[in-house]
Amino acid sequence: AQTVTQSQPEMSVQEAETVTLSCTYDTSESDYYLFWYKQPPSRQMILVIRQEAYKQQNATENRFSVNFQKAAKSFSLKISDSQLGDAAMYFCAYRSAWDNYGQNFVFGPGTRLSVLP
Amino acid sequence: NAGVTQTPKFQVLKTGQSMTLQCAQDMNHNSMYWYRQDPGMGLRLIYYSASEGTTDKGEVPNGYNVSRLNKREFSLRLESAAPSQTSVYFCASILGTVNTEAFFGQGTRLTVV
Repeated sequence: AQTVTQSQPEMSVQEAETVTLSCTYDTSESDYYLFWYKQPPSRQMILVIRQEAYKQQNATENRFSVNFQKAAKSFSLKISDSQLGDAAMYFCAYRSAWDNYGQNFVFGPGTRLSVLP
Repeated sequence: NAGVTQTPKFQVLKTGQSMTLQCAQDMNHNSMYWYRQDPGMGLRLIYYSASEGTTDKGEVPNGYNVSRLNKREFSLRLESAAPSQTSVYFCASILGTVNTEAFFGQGTRLTVV
């Protein structure tokens, strides 16, 4: 079974600075998808960014980018120009390309990010 | 577009009481899910429904039952609540193709005393 690890339970960043959240995963599969979700205090789970494992190019969404290292099974999230609204719990998630029904959507334990003014 | 609607948002139960959490999605998604979120453990799958008329156990199904009422609705029932079921519950749906993400409801904070 796949596992997702986020080794940083909590992190903080100064407003306007850059922060990187770590995620590693364990899988024997070669085809899969990786996601970062943001959960603000409202509890709503919001998709931040998605990466297809077969793509070598790292995904980017505005201030959010990933560093995907397939051989190392690492998928870190970089937030540039941090804003107060970025304060949230961030979850890394893995989904197998063979996961036809979504039953193997695996989430990490989360990293709580604080943004300091 | 409402997405995934989950009710109630908060609930307090006494040990042994029963309740049903309701979930509905308006995105015509095939698959629906119930997760529980506990500190330091991420989201764990309780039950899922790959399509209308089917349900299957996830990682932590004990103490729960589900019903896929139709394509839109997927409910989670606690027959006899226990303090160990104190958690935040999320309903989610996926279109069904492997490259798509899950869409989540706003969660239910359930406290069993």
